[in-house]
Amino acid sequence: AQSVTQLGSHVSVSEGALVLLRCNYSSSVPPYLFWYVQYPNQGLQLLLKYTSAATLVKGINGFEAEFKKSETSFHLTKPSAHMSDAAEYFCAVTKRSNDYKLSFGAGTTVTVRA
Amino acid sequence: DGGITQSPKYLFRKEGQNVTLSCEQNLNHDAMYWYRQDPGQGLRLIYYSQIVNDFQKGDIAEGYSVSREKKESFPLTVTSAQKNPTAFYLCASSPQGITTGELFFGEGSRLTVL
Repeated sequence: AQSVTQLGSHVSVSEGALVLLRCNYSSSVPPYLFWYVQYPNQGLQLLLKYTSAATLVKGINGFEAEFKKSETSFHLTKPSAHMSDAAEYFCAVTKRSNDYKLSFGAGTTVTVRA
Repeated sequence: DGGITQSPKYLFRKEGQNVTLSCEQNLNHDAMYWYRQDPGQGLRLIYYSQIVNDFQKGDIAEGYSVSREKKESFPLTVTSAQKNPTAFYLCASSPQGITTGELFFGEGSRLTVL
């Protein structure tokens, strides 16, 4: 079964600094990978997804992620943090053969310091 | 506007009572999902439905029940058999599986057992 590990449950960055959120997956077959963002007391919103096209995926709000098969990673980055980036971020994976079930990581909460 | 509506947003229940959470979508999506969110555990899949009148158990279905009588609606009942029902519940939908698009989430329902 596929699973996702997010390294670091809480990340604190200064406004304008690099945001780096780490995600590693385990999957016996090539996966599809996703990053979602959740603001307090709201549902999740898709940031970006990898579905076997380009390994560098650009998403909304200036975020991007790179699929590295050799490292089984899909880390999320943003060059310059903004106060509005404060939220919880979830990495998720699904097998291509069963695309009705997503496995989510535990989440990483991002705090942005002024 | 198209979207997913969950109600109620907040719900309090006494031990031993069943409660039903509503989820309605007007996106014309075939698939619908229920997730449970607990701090530090990410999202865990309770039930999902790929088509009307059909649904499958997710990873933590015990103590929950669902129905899918209409394409637009996928209510979740939290029964008295669920030992620890206090959580944030999220409903989602997708056009035809996850890999062809993304999950669209509702705003969530927070259930507290008194």
